[in-house]
Amino acid sequence: GAVVSQHPSRVICKSGTSVKIECRSLDFQATTMFWYRQFPKKSLMLMATSNEGSKATYEQGVEKDKFLINHASLTLSTLTVTSAHPEDSSFYICSAEVAGPSTDTQYFGPGTRLTVL
Amino acid sequence: RKEVEQDPGPFNVPEGATVAFNCTYSNSASQSFFWYRQDCRKEPKLLMSVYSSGNEDGRFTAQLNRASQYISLLIRDSKLSDSATYLCVVNRMDSSYKLIFGSGTRLLVRP
Repeated sequence: GAVVSQHPSRVICKSGTSVKIECRSLDFQATTMFWYRQFPKKSLMLMATSNEGSKATYEQGVEKDKFLINHASLTLSTLTVTSAHPEDSSFYICSAEVAGPSTDTQYFGPGTRLTVL
Repeated sequence: RKEVEQDPGPFNVPEGATVAFNCTYSNSASQSFFWYRQDCRKEPKLLMSVYSSGNEDGRFTAQLNRASQYISLLIRDSKLSDSATYLCVVNRMDSSYKLIFGSGTRLLVRP
């Protein structure tokens, strides 16, 4: 399957700082990437759809000014958590969409575990 | 009501057992269906797509009942390595292609 990487894998930061997470498609180009958040023992919740060269589409209830998304190239999308607070601590996962013969498939990055102190 | 509902489990079964998971979805316009597997503190990985006619991949069989909006996954001859959380995933077709995840069913296979 397609390979998606994320960096960093884990980050611990102080409250009020900003954290940038990178998502890269390593062996294919992805015009669409997705950002999810997962709290312990909960399902993945889609935060936003990242489209190369255009603004991201945010899901209801997700603050676009707090979670900045940039998809400047076909292989890289970044998520910046601005002025992070302890309630932002979560597992952030990106995925990249690969077109298939009958349906599109999403391949996931390994995730970034964010802890805000 | 959640868009995708699963029994959280855990299902605790002995090695070699057959176990089945069920999932229901609420959006009748959903078109694509998947089972993903997620290990503890890891990302989800695609296990298999689910087709209307049902499909099998080794020990895994997936079935879809569109009329009842119901998806199932059957695992035969369970292995210890099958222990994981199994996520039922459905697409949502609005302005773009989006995946909606169930909260997962946890499987524990014991020796």
